[in-house]
Amino acid sequence: EAGVTQFPSHSVIEKGQTVTLRCDPISGHDNLYWYRRVMGKEIKFLLHFVKESKQDESGMPNNRFLAERTGGTYSTLKVQPAELEDSGVYFCASSQVAYSNTGELFFGEGSRLTVL
Amino acid sequence: GENVEQHPSTLSVQEGDSAVIKCTYSDSASNYFPWYKQELGKGPQLIIDIRSNVGEKKDQRIAVTLNKTAKHFSLHITETQPEDSAVYFCAARGGEGTYKYIFGTGTRLKVLA
Repeated sequence: EAGVTQFPSHSVIEKGQTVTLRCDPISGHDNLYWYRRVMGKEIKFLLHFVKESKQDESGMPNNRFLAERTGGTYSTLKVQPAELEDSGVYFCASSQVAYSNTGELFFGEGSRLTVL
Repeated sequence: GENVEQHPSTLSVQEGDSAVIKCTYSDSASNYFPWYKQELGKGPQLIIDIRSNVGEKKDQRIAVTLNKTAKHFSLHITETQPEDSAVYFCAARGGEGTYKYIFGTGTRLKVLA
């Protein structure tokens, strides 16, 4: 069974440009999460989808970030326009159950974003 | 807001020695505490977890302890091996109906051969 896949693995862009990150969760996982880790800091929650609905987007830094999950399958996270502080590793995770303690998060390998 | 503090940020041990990583959480409603291991070039992977109604859990060379009163939980790795070298993250998740995991800042463990 395929795990969570993310694309691209690394993206280098200039300030002001746009980048779109993609995540394909494990098949059948209704819950999809985006997290971000800035170097040396915690893995910080960005938002949570249940199927195609945004359940919680309280962690999204500002309106330059837009996440979508059309059809409840894969998800995209767009940053437009990118700023220097957006640099970091963006992780996608999926889980089968959200509301029980067995809702293990399965992470992708991450997309490293570097904004110059 | 909710946060999880994790210490130390880096830890070097000799092969065969034990390693201990400690975390403290702020949300008293948290009831699930997973530990993730991130190897180079890979995403974090769950290695062990503990629920709030359990004080200790062990799986071969790794164990986790939880002190709810003090809001502390720790990861213990015994007989460390070079393949244990990785970044370890603790996390806390809130009560029923909560789906948000709060992660610590990570501990880079180096096991020296």
